Amino acid sequence: QVQLVQSGAVVKKPGASVKVSCKVSGYTLTELSMHWVRQAPGKGLEWMGGFDPDDGGTIHAQKFQGRVTMIEDSSTDTASMELSSLRSEDTAVYYCAIGGNLGLDYWGQGTLVTVSS
Amino acid sequence: DIQMTQSPSSLSASVGDRVTITCRASQSILSYLSWYQQKPGKAPKLLIYATSSLQSGVPSRFSGSGSGTDFTLTISSLQPEDFATYFCQQSYSTPYTFGQGTKLEIK
Repeated sequence: QVQLVQSGAVVKKPGASVKVSCKVSGYTLTELSMHWVRQAPGKGLEWMGGFDPDDGGTIHAQKFQGRVTMIEDSSTDTASMELSSLRSEDTAVYYCAIGGNLGLDYWGQGTLVTVSS
Repeated sequence: DIQMTQSPSSLSASVGDRVTITCRASQSILSYLSWYQQKPGKAPKLLIYATSSLQSGVPSRFSGSGSGTDFTLTISSLQPEDFATYFCQQSYSTPYTFGQGTKLEIK
């Protein structure tokens, strides 16, 4: 059984960067396809990026290009998502999730990132 | 990017009702369509993948159908625990876009 445990809530100032981590247990990270999804307060789900089945790399949604970095550390089975140049619109719960073409079947508990001056 | 449009955006129903939620893709996504249930303060839960395959542990009152651009999620007999928000998602091509959600409320 896969479990994903994310880092805790954070508050950041506009212009800063945030790093959210996602620790995998039950499987090794290299066996899994990791994705990141966010949800602004009271809003819907937004796929940010994740495993690209076409080339085995990582692909990001266009709107986050240049601002997001997704890293996987196989030595600790921990995935991380770093978002830079934060603005108020980035206030959201950020989720890591496992899956791909057949849906995202395991999710972390979510990490609230608040961007406020 | 493929746009996913869900309808209705909200729905009031009673326990025991049969409800249907629809999701339309802006282009064909074959059968790469998933449905999720989300309750307040919780992560989404995968209900159905590949249009009609029931995720392990999901009650059989949930079903999905469709292909190409038009898809439906049906709950055959609503239970109290089904009142939640439902999202569709296409996984045909990146970005894996979601529908805007359907909030299912108790009448």
